[in-house]
Amino acid sequence: AAGVIQSPRHLIKEKRETATLKCYPIPRHDTVYWYQQGPGQDPQFLISFYEKMQSDKGSIPDRFSAQQFSDYHSELNMSSLELGDSALYFCASRREPGQGQGEQYFGPGTRLTVT
Amino acid sequence: DAKTTQPNSMESNEEEPVHLPCNHSTISGTDYIHWYRQLPSQGPEYVIHGLTSNVNNRMASLAIAEDRKSSTLILHRATLRDAAVYYCILFSGTYKYIFGTGTRLKVLA
Repeated sequence: AAGVIQSPRHLIKEKRETATLKCYPIPRHDTVYWYQQGPGQDPQFLISFYEKMQSDKGSIPDRFSAQQFSDYHSELNMSSLELGDSALYFCASRREPGQGQGEQYFGPGTRLTVT
Repeated sequence: DAKTTQPNSMESNEEEPVHLPCNHSTISGTDYIHWYRQLPSQGPEYVIHGLTSNVNNRMASLAIAEDRKSSTLILHRATLRDAAVYYCILFSGTYKYIFGTGTRLKVLA
């Protein structure tokens, strides 16, 4: 079965550079979520999109922005990178069958290292 | 968002059942109980979810207390591949998961 695809899988950037992470949801899934997981930490919700509109926002820095495109893929843009942005970034997708029931399917993550 | 409380870590012997508890005393009537697990360097993986009744699937069983203030994830026969961090999450359709600290399960051969 098709899974969530994230690219790139690994990314190394220097401080103050920009990075773009991409997420391709499972076909027919209309909701995309982004999570950040720092070393030894639990995943933290960043932002989500439903039908190409932002649906919720978590602890996402102002330096980050994201969008969902007409084909439902999503991109997380990160600017002025800081050492503390080094983390695993997960994308998850879901189809909206109704509140509380649709499980999220997570991608393998992008490991971002800022040096 | 309602919070969950789980033990930081648990150990189990291989091929024995494992009961992973979760307390969620502030659960609301519309909150579903979702369980995920995360293997090292992988994305979280859906395990099971329920609302009021006990649930079974090929991976696990979920036992929900009658007052819904707690639940237990049951792995019927733990294998080495079940070693992971298990997260109990309350989901009310607000588009996001709030991950707690989870339970790190260690399976002993």
